Amino acid sequence: AQSVTQLDSHVSVSEGTPVLLRCNYSSSYSPSLFWYVQHPNKGLQLLLKYTSAATLVKGINGFEAEFKKSETSFHLTKPSAHMSDAAEYFCVVSDQTSYDKVIFGPGTSLSVIP
Amino acid sequence: NAGVTQTPKFQVLKTGQSMTLQCAQDMNHNSMYWYRQDPGMGLRLIYYSASEGTTDKGEVPNGYNVSRLNKREFSLRLESAAPSQTSVYFCASNDRDSMYYGYTFGSGTRLTVV
Repeated sequence: AQSVTQLDSHVSVSEGTPVLLRCNYSSSYSPSLFWYVQHPNKGLQLLLKYTSAATLVKGINGFEAEFKKSETSFHLTKPSAHMSDAAEYFCVVSDQTSYDKVIFGPGTSLSVIP
Repeated sequence: NAGVTQTPKFQVLKTGQSMTLQCAQDMNHNSMYWYRQDPGMGLRLIYYSASEGTTDKGEVPNGYNVSRLNKREFSLRLESAAPSQTSVYFCASNDRDSMYYGYTFGSGTRLTVV
């Protein structure tokens, strides 16, 4: 069975400082992993994805994530937070074998302090 | 703009009333999905349609029905609304042959059942 754990329900950073949002997963298969962002009252937007190619994945808006199989982690980082990064972030795992085997984490709310 | 369109954006229902949430995509995607989002629980799959003419239950299908009207449209029906169905509903689509690319989401329907 698959599962996703987002280790922090809320993260607060100052503008211009690094962002780290943590995600751990479990999967019986070689998973695909995704990060989505949701701004207030909006739908979810794909930030980046890992699909068994390069373990360091670069996404939109300066975000990147590193797949670490030994640690079963896929943490999201950004070197310098911007006010517009304040949003909810979801880590997602898919084993690619079935349409309904896509598991969303509970989300991490990111606040950026001016 | 290409994407997923959901209607309505907001709805208030009384317990026992029925309604249909509409979803249409113009990306020629094969697969479409309905999710509900509740605080602290991420997104949970209600129903999905792998291709035109097929539908299947997801994690939380009770109290809902769906129709894949054609390749573009996938509707979600609440036959007798209950307060437990108060949630934000998202429609999503993707090309199943390209699961690597994740989902494209609509902007959501905020439903309150009183």
